[in-house]
Amino acid sequence: NAGVTQTPKFRVLKTGQSMTLLCAQDMNHEYMYWYRQDPGMGLRLIHYSVGEGTTAKGEVPDGYNVSRLKKQNFLLGLESAAPSQTSVYFCASSYDREQFFGPGTRLTVL
Amino acid sequence: SQQGEEDPQALSIQEGENATMNCSYKTSINNLQWYRQNSGRGLVHLILIRSNEREKHSGRLRVTLDTSKKSSSLLITASRAADTASYFCAPRTGANNLFFGTGTRLTVIP
Repeated sequence: NAGVTQTPKFRVLKTGQSMTLLCAQDMNHEYMYWYRQDPGMGLRLIHYSVGEGTTAKGEVPDGYNVSRLKKQNFLLGLESAAPSQTSVYFCASSYDREQFFGPGTRLTVL
Repeated sequence: SQQGEEDPQALSIQEGENATMNCSYKTSINNLQWYRQNSGRGLVHLILIRSNEREKHSGRLRVTLDTSKKSSSLLITASRAADTASYFCAPRTGANNLFFGTGTRLTVIP
């Protein structure tokens, strides 16, 4: 089992560019999450999904969109990147209690 | 806020000593979870304690929960250099979402 994987691992964008981060899990988990982690801020929930075809907003959803077309995949999109979106992005999945995290994507927006 | 707040923010100890980290939260919880994050990596689940439990052990880890004080502590006994990491508590309320604090950075000096 690969667990939770994230693509890409690193990315540099210019302000205004768009991109999609891909999260994939092979554990048949219903729940999936996108977090961002900034220095001194801990992890903040961006969006989450409680099952295929469903998404919901977390604490800091502005500037991001998500889709869960397949149970194993959860996509995070930035339509027009801003320097404030420079961060490390983590995806996680869970069945019921504990969450399993991916290795993270380090995104820099210039 | 539903986030956990860890204390201290940073802790430095000698190898072999015990490390204690504390967590406070503000809302009623179903359970409280502790996670570890090695530098540059995703979070890893350590232990979960339910709201009706007062103490739980897992290897060198001991977690306590006091729901009347809305607090939890994580004790790592006989620390090792490999325990150097950031530790996060995450209270869980009715939904499946977790609310992470900013963490305690533990450094174990060989």
